[in-house]
Amino acid sequence: NAGVTQTPKFRVLKTGQSMTLLCAQDMNHEYMYWYRQDPGMGLRLIHYSVGEGTTAKGEVPDGYNVSRLKKQNFLLGLESAAPSQTSVYFCASRLDRDREKLFFGSGTQLSVL
Amino acid sequence: AQSVSQHNHHVILSEAASLELGCNYSYGGTVNLFWYVQYPGQHLQLLLKYFSGDPLVKGIKGFEAEFIKSKFSFNLRKPSVQWSDTAEYFCAVNAPSSNTGKLIFGQGTTLQVKP
Repeated sequence: NAGVTQTPKFRVLKTGQSMTLLCAQDMNHEYMYWYRQDPGMGLRLIHYSVGEGTTAKGEVPDGYNVSRLKKQNFLLGLESAAPSQTSVYFCASRLDRDREKLFFGSGTQLSVL
Repeated sequence: AQSVSQHNHHVILSEAASLELGCNYSYGGTVNLFWYVQYPGQHLQLLLKYFSGDPLVKGIKGFEAEFIKSKFSFNLRKPSVQWSDTAEYFCAVNAPSSNTGKLIFGQGTTLQVKP
């Protein structure tokens, strides 16, 4: 039972480079989320999706794009990476919007030089 | 907009000491409340949650939290901490009426337990 899988686990980028983080869940969850975790700031919501084909902005969406073409996958893209995007990124999913807990992936540590 | 505030950013305790971590949220409507824990090098795990009913909820590993609606608070407690409780703790809130299921997290509290 894989749960929520994030790839890659680590990545180093140069300023201006692009990349895509992949989140895959095998629990048939409708709701998926991308958070970034920074020291002293907790987890901040970047984008989220309430179902296949839908996405919405969270608290800190600037500089990121997302897509949810398939229910099980939620992709986070950085078109032109900046040092301010150095962070740990967590994907999460849940079955029900209200009551079910979030299932988190193990995180992606991204450094932008 | 919803927000969550955790009062203590870094707490250092000795083993067997009692723990209380503060959490306050701002939202006028019905909320679901959560405490998550992140052990060193691991991802977040759910400690406990409150949806409705008894405002005193018990979670895993001897943790409990009390929802006080009048104070917009959901403080986490443990009577006697262990070295293995060293971790970062996050309070989070979800507003069911928002129809998004998204959780808003607090800044986190780092707990260091000295053996």
